[in-house]
Amino acid sequence: TQLLEQSPQFLSIQEGENLTVYCNSSSVFSSLQWYRQEPGEGPVLLVTVVTGGEVKKLKRLTFQFGDARKDSSLHITAAQPGDTGLYLCAGPRRDDKIIFGKGTRLHILP
Amino acid sequence: KAGVTQTPRYLIKTRGQQVTLSCSPISGHRSVSWYQQTPGQGLQFLFEYFSETQRNKGNFPGRFSGRQFSNSRSEMNVSTLELGDSALYLCASSPGEGRRVQYFGAGTRLSVL
Repeated sequence: TQLLEQSPQFLSIQEGENLTVYCNSSSVFSSLQWYRQEPGEGPVLLVTVVTGGEVKKLKRLTFQFGDARKDSSLHITAAQPGDTGLYLCAGPRRDDKIIFGKGTRLHILP
Repeated sequence: KAGVTQTPRYLIKTRGQQVTLSCSPISGHRSVSWYQQTPGQGLQFLFEYFSETQRNKGNFPGRFSGRQFSNSRSEMNVSTLELGDSALYLCASSPGEGRRVQYFGAGTRLSVL
């Protein structure tokens, strides 16, 4: 069964600090996506990574897809309160159904 | 361009009742997917519709059903509600088949008492 495991489950850090959250699987994915969900809203797509070893940057956010396409990481530099939210990774299973990890709930303290 | 619109935003029902949720996708989008989000299970795929046809279905009982209309608007129905059906139901639309880029609505929060 293809699963996506996200860690840590919860993270609370001070504004200005750096952090990394992870999305891991024992299975290969053709692509992975990262979303951010804020309270009372639906998830918003941040990035899609497709190629093993790929690195994408979105301002202070850096996304990396593992060489073997089994894992991905999201690194945030100089976290700000506006980064607070639930970060979800998602990918297509072999049967084309999209699966999501359970997410990392990030809280940035001002 | 308007985003994905889900109605109603909040709903309270009792066990045994049925409920219908509505989703209007982004104009021009023909694919609509539905997800259930709970604290314990996270986001789980319910089904996907493209051009009025169900393309894929998740592992949910037959009490969960959906449909898509010719204008791409979609509805999902849950019959014989159970307490465990309490969740945030999210709809996502995509320009084409395959759900590679999904735009989510704000969801309908269903509480079953």
